Amino acid sequence: DTGVSQDPRHKITKRGQNVTFRCDPISEHNRLYWYRQTLGQGPEFLTYFQNEAQLEKSRLLSDRFSAERPKGSFSTLEIQRTEQGDSAMYLCASSPYYQDTQYFGPGTRLTVL
Amino acid sequence: AQSVTQLDSQVPVFEEAPVELRCNYSSSVSVYLFWYVQYPNQGLQLLLKYLSGSTLVKGINGFEAEFNKSQTSFHLRKPSVHISDTAEYFCAVSYNTDKLIFGTGTRLQVFP
Repeated sequence: DTGVSQDPRHKITKRGQNVTFRCDPISEHNRLYWYRQTLGQGPEFLTYFQNEAQLEKSRLLSDRFSAERPKGSFSTLEIQRTEQGDSAMYLCASSPYYQDTQYFGPGTRLTVL
Repeated sequence: AQSVTQLDSQVPVFEEAPVELRCNYSSSVSVYLFWYVQYPNQGLQLLLKYLSGSTLVKGINGFEAEFNKSQTSFHLRKPSVHISDTAEYFCAVSYNTDKLIFGTGTRLQVFP
């Protein structure tokens, strides 16, 4: 069990560019969650998947954000036309369907200049 | 709607002293309660959780928390802290193993 991994760990981009983050959950975990954490705040829920189905999206997830989990394994989070307000830590977590504990990855820190 | 309030943004304490980090929640339905710890530049690690049963929950690293339904609280305690406990602590609530709703966090700073 290697834990949840995220790539990249850090991303610096210019305003208006598109970025994509990847999350690899713990193997055989059916549920995968994305959260966003800004400085001095707790993580905020963005969206989650059960297998390949996206079951819920937060209203924080504007049209510029899209998430996929095509084969029910890894997931990607894409932000189009980035804005400075998108600068944050993006956290991924996974859990087995029948359990309640979410295991978090180390996060991807996005800085939009 | 569910919400979580962590009343203290920072808690300074000397090593080997006891500490309590406060957490109150608001929910119209039964919830599950969690405490996570975040060390600098790392992800969140689960300390402990309350699902049902005994209201006193013991977790890792000597931490424990008590669920108080009447006061809608889930305060985290440790009888004697170490320098290595310096970190950010987050209380969270979820309903039916769904998304987590986090508080704003409490920074525990342990001084020698």
